[in-house]
Amino acid sequence: RKEVEQDPGPFNVPEGATVAFNCTYSNSASQSFFWYRQDCRKEPKLLMSVYSSGNEDGRFTAQLNRASQYISLLIRDSKLSDSATYLCVVNLNKFYFGSGTKLNVKP
Amino acid sequence: NAGVMQNPRHLVRRRGQEARLRCSPMKGHSHVYWYRQLPEEGLKFMVYLQKENIIDESGMPKERFSAEFPKEGPSILRIQQVVRGDSAAYFCASSPEDSQSGNTIYFGEGSWLTVV
Repeated sequence: RKEVEQDPGPFNVPEGATVAFNCTYSNSASQSFFWYRQDCRKEPKLLMSVYSSGNEDGRFTAQLNRASQYISLLIRDSKLSDSATYLCVVNLNKFYFGSGTKLNVKP
Repeated sequence: NAGVMQNPRHLVRRRGQEARLRCSPMKGHSHVYWYRQLPEEGLKFMVYLQKENIIDESGMPKERFSAEFPKEGPSILRIQQVVRGDSAAYFCASSPEDSQSGNTIYFGEGSWLTVV
């Protein structure tokens, strides 16, 4: 079983839409959680950390549910520039990356 | 404040040659991670190093691959006798402390290896 699982997508949404991604992790001892964004042929870049209390950064909201072992990312008012692959990351002595969820925002 | 620096950015090797990929972590970072990404696939952990010490190499293929992070100089990922299947993007990342501290990791721009 993979440490981190994500729906690969793609999610095709129109501009202005709200879109949500979920990610599940297998080890309940996991210590910290993050969302990264990766553009085509670029390196992953940190989007935001994820806390149990939930955290928001502009149009982006991340949530952690430890009981169910899943992490979510909500993007409101999608922009064309949000098109990318979103990687769920879980830290348990080393950083485990999900395979990513591809988002395409269409005009 | 320079970020994680990787070189070369692009490398072409013939089958059987050696590839050496270098990574200089961000200033103040003492922990380095190497990941491999095959085309259209996710990041796969390879190795986690501290200065002069391999912390976790559970993702490294048993043969042909080695990594080091000497006291002075960059971390090196070495691939001997490359095969076509080694063609991938190799990303290095660094963090200031050990991975249990809650710190996240920052990536270099990657080294793209093509084996012909």
